[in-house]
Amino acid sequence: EVQLVESGGGLVQPGGSLRLSCAASGFTFSSYEMNWVRQAPGKGLEWVSYISSSGSTIYYADSVKGRFTISRDNAKNSLYLQMNSLRAEDTAVYYCASSGSYGSGAFDIWGQGTMVTVSS
Amino acid sequence: QSVLTQPPSVSGAPGQRVTISCTGSSSNIGAGYDVHWYQQLPGTAPKLLIYGNSNRPSGVPDRFSGSKSGTSASLAITGLQAEDEADYYCQSYDSSLSAPWVFGGGTKLTVL
Repeated sequence: EVQLVESGGGLVQPGGSLRLSCAASGFTFSSYEMNWVRQAPGKGLEWVSYISSSGSTIYYADSVKGRFTISRDNAKNSLYLQMNSLRAEDTAVYYCASSGSYGSGAFDIWGQGTMVTVSS
Repeated sequence: QSVLTQPPSVSGAPGQRVTISCTGSSSNIGAGYDVHWYQQLPGTAPKLLIYGNSNRPSGVPDRFSGSKSGTSASLAITGLQAEDEADYYCQSYDSSLSAPWVFGGGTKLTVL
C-alpha cells in the first residue's frame, strides 16, 4: 500500500524547535519529489517547502525561509522538516506530500498530517 | 490573500451540477501552468482530484471534471451527492514568487 506517515508534532513554546518526520512506503521514494504543506486551524492549505528526488533542489515559502530546513534520507525512505524559531503563526497540521507521478507539481500522495502547536 | 482566488462557498442540491472557479493571473494560470484540484473531506487529508487541468487519477469518478481558459480554471461536479460535501482547493505554479507552488483559498461545497 502506498503510504506516507508523519510524526514529530506536538506542543512547543514560541522560539522553540521541532523536527517532523515523514515515512514513506509502497513506492520508490527516491524517485519522487516531496513537499511539506500546512493547514492552520480552520484555514486553507499553505505550501511550505519542496525538495527534489535527489535533494539537490530545495525551495521554501517566504513565511518559513531561514527558520525551517527540509531534508530527506532516501536510504531510509524518509523526509524531514526541521523547524526552528517557531512562532504562534506556525501552528498548523503539517502534511507531507509527494509530487512526481503526474508531473507539473501535482501532489498525488498525502500523509494523514501531524499537528504542531506553538504556544506558551 | 491567496494568489489564486476561489469563491468561499458554493452549494447545490443532490443531483445538480455545480462549478468552482479558480482565478489567477498572467504569472500562474495565464502563463500556461497546469492547475490541479484537491478534495478535502472533513477531518481528513487532501486528496488529488484533478491533475494537469482536466485529468482524473484512477478511482476518481467521472462526475468530476476540470477545465482551464485564460487566467482561470474551473472544477465541475455533476450528479451532486451528499458525500461530495467537502472543501476544494486549486493549485498551480507561479513564476513571480520565490515560492513556486500556490493554493487557492479553498471553497466549501455544501450539498443541500
